[in-house]
Amino acid sequence: AQSVAQPEDQVNVAEGNPLTVKCTYSVSGNPYLFWYVQYPNRGLQFLLKYITGDNLVKGSYGFEAEFNKSQTSFHLKKPSALVSDSALYFCAVRDTGTYKYIFGTGTRLKVLA
Amino acid sequence: EAGVTQFPSHSVIEKGQTVTLRCDPISGHDNLYWYRRVMGKEIKFLLHFVKESKQDESGMPNNRFLAERTGGTYSTLKVQPAELEDSGVYFCASSQEWANTEAFFGQGTRLTVV
Repeated sequence: AQSVAQPEDQVNVAEGNPLTVKCTYSVSGNPYLFWYVQYPNRGLQFLLKYITGDNLVKGSYGFEAEFNKSQTSFHLKKPSALVSDSALYFCAVRDTGTYKYIFGTGTRLKVLA
Repeated sequence: EAGVTQFPSHSVIEKGQTVTLRCDPISGHDNLYWYRRVMGKEIKFLLHFVKESKQDESGMPNNRFLAERTGGTYSTLKVQPAELEDSGVYFCASSQEWANTEAFFGQGTRLTVV
């Protein structure tokens, strides 16, 4: 069965510092991986995806993620965090047969001024 | 282009009552999905429509939940009768037909059953 793990419920980082939000996955076959962000009182917004190609994927708002096949990880990163990045982040893998997403439990990112 | 819209944004109902959630997908998106997040847990798949047909309803918790998609446009999710454990945030998403395209999510409906 496919699954996604986000091992950290919350990540705190100081503004201006680099941030990493961790995600590992378990799938059979090639993974289609996604990151979504949920700001307070908003829906899920697409950040970036990995389908194939370059292991480093760039997305919205300066975020990027690195696909690591050997470690089955897809960690979300940003070189310099902003207070406005504080939100709930979800990693997901998409089932290529049914198209449905399997989500992780989410990681709350808190960027401190 | 309008995004995915959901109504209502919040709903508080008593146990045993009926609630109907609505989702309007992005125009032209044949795929429509319902998901639910119970407090603090992962977002779980409920079901998937392709146009007006139910492609996959394996995530529907029980027969108190009924989803429809009229004419392949908007969708409704009815909970009847509601139970306390149905509380959570219900998300709707739509996408084009390929697995490598991202789905677009609505803002969610927060359902509280008291």
